[in-house]
Order: sequence, then C-alpha cells, then structure tokens
Amino acid sequence: GAGVSQSPSNKVTEKGKDVELRCDPISGHTALYWYRQSLGQGLEFLIYFQGNSAPDKSGLPSDRFSAERTGGSVSTLTIQRTQQEDSAVYLCASSPRTGGNSPLHFGNGTRLTVT
Amino acid sequence: AQSVTQPDIHITVSEGASLELRCNYSYGATPYLFWYVQSPGQGLQLLLKYFSGDTLVQGIKGFEAEFKRSQSSFNLRKPSVHWSDAAEYFCAVGADGGTSYGKLTFGQGTILTVHP
Repeated sequence: GAGVSQSPSNKVTEKGKDVELRCDPISGHTALYWYRQSLGQGLEFLIYFQGNSAPDKSGLPSDRFSAERTGGSVSTLTIQRTQQEDSAVYLCASSPRTGGNSPLHFGNGTRLTVT
Repeated sequence: AQSVTQPDIHITVSEGASLELRCNYSYGATPYLFWYVQSPGQGLQLLLKYFSGDTLVQGIKGFEAEFKRSQSSFNLRKPSVHWSDAAEYFCAVGADGGTSYGKLTFGQGTILTVHP
C-alpha cells in the first residue's frame, strides 16, 4: 500500500521567503508528526497531531513555524520569513494510533535549502 | 521528559563482523523503545521495538536488541554485518505520560560504515 508521501522532495528558497511543505499520511492513520533533521543533530520533534485532540506544538522553534492538518489527513508545515538556519530535512511520519507505543511510518522527507 | 543518548557517532566494521550499537535512555517509567534505520535520501524504517515482556527482541534484517533496565540501555546487535547494512541508525524512546504523551524522542544517530 501507499506509504507517507511528502512534497516537494527538494526545495530551494531565498532567505526571507515563505515555504510550505506537504505531507500525505497513510490513510486511516490517526497521528501525524513533523520532525526536523539537521546535519549531525538527530531528529528534532516539531509538532504532533493526535486525532481530534489539540496538536502538541511544543517543538516548534519559533512563531515563524506553523502547521495544520486538514480533515484529519493532509498536513502542511509552513515556515515564514525563512532563515538560513532553517535549512534541514523535514520529515513527516504517521501512526495508526496515538500513544508512545505506536511505531511511526516515515516519509522520505523534504530537503529545504535556504540561500 | 525522556532523552536518548547514542554515544557513538560513527562506527566502522568489516563485512561479516559482529555489530553492537549502543543506546542509553532516560525515562521515569517503563519506556517504549525503538530502533530505526535510515538509508541515504530515505525516511526512517522501523527495525524493532520493545514494549514489555522478553527483554531480547528480534527485528527485521537479522537485527536484535536487548533491554537492560539496570543499565538503562537498549543496544542493537547483529552477528554478521552485510555491506547493505551501511546506513544511519537511530534509537528512540516513546512515552505515554505527561507532556511527552505520544512523542518519540530520538538519539543523535550512529552512522555505520561497512568495509568489504
């Protein structure tokens, strides 16, 4: 079956521009996560959508970052006024249920380069 | 809040040699533990997981991991490494309590290089 799909796979943008990154989770998956992977930094949690509950936004690094999940399916991560330090791979993952014991299914990520 | 430490940033082994990747976690209760593998340009793939019960868990691709509560460790092992195992490996801990509910916290990753 189809896995988690992210688009675009690569994005180059100029400093100060806004970008939108898209994630299509596995159909029926309740939970959706965004992580950021910077070189040598591991995976940094950004935001977690847990079904109908309010999202956990505790990992968003600044108010330039926001995310939404429409209709419990597709999610968009928006970065406003991009900075060079935003350059990273942004990974989306979904899970069939909420809870810490539910394995995540990852997309291949969007590589963002801010020039 | 939970945390994960992978002490080795980069490990090099010869093909056919045994492998052990270290992972230490910090969490107040019984953790949910995972190992993921990431090939270049790809997302992360689940290798194995531990929730409870038998402390030695088997995963895909011939990997296994052992949960040792006394050492707060969850080391990944493979008896004989293949060249295709070259990748980056991530240990993660999941939580069901408090502000960390549902979140997976990942270690920094260990890059595995396999020499022919």
